Amino acid sequence: DAGVTQSPTHLIKTRGQQVTLRCSPKSGHDTVSWYQQALGQGPQFIFQYYEEEERQRGNFPDRFSGHQFPNYSSELNVNALLLGDSALYLCASSSLTANHYGYTFGSGTRLTVV
Amino acid sequence: KNEVEQSPQNLTAQEGEFITINCSYSVGISALHWLQQHPGGGIVSLFMLSSGKKKHGRLIATINIQEKHSSLHITASHPRDSAVYICAVEKGGATNKLIFGTGTLLAVQP
Repeated sequence: DAGVTQSPTHLIKTRGQQVTLRCSPKSGHDTVSWYQQALGQGPQFIFQYYEEEERQRGNFPDRFSGHQFPNYSSELNVNALLLGDSALYLCASSSLTANHYGYTFGSGTRLTVV
Repeated sequence: KNEVEQSPQNLTAQEGEFITINCSYSVGISALHWLQQHPGGGIVSLFMLSSGKKKHGRLIATINIQEKHSSLHITASHPRDSAVYICAVEKGGATNKLIFGTGTLLAVQP
């Protein structure tokens, strides 16, 4: 039973570019949450997707957008990249239709903006 | 005050020592996670707890729901245990929000 899969594991982008990160949730999970972890800080909540809609959003600008597909996988898009967007982007899946117990974490995508 | 507090923030130990990292939370939870992150690395899930105690190798995690407190213990510590250890709680409710602690940086010296 595969856990949460994130891709790519690492990438380097230039300031001003756009990036798409991908997450496949654990089998049986229907909800995907995205977090940003800057160096030396704890993860900060970006948004959560359920039933292909954004259910909650943290304090991130509109440059951060997302999508959830019918197979529950999700994408995180960041436009007009800034140096400060360099971070580990973490995806976690869970099930809101089953019960509320049990997030599963991906290992993260490390984004470097130069 | 953060809803999830970890202590200590930084910990240095000698190889072989018994290590304890603490996590206290102030909200009702449905589950608690202990995560590990090596420098420059991704997140590795160590434990998910809703009650009692779990053990995996040299790692032991306990939770006391009444006291809203969890501990992560490392027995016979090794330099490869050097990492940031993060406590995260699931708040339950309609959205089951995850709240992360700020992490404990552990350095185990040979």
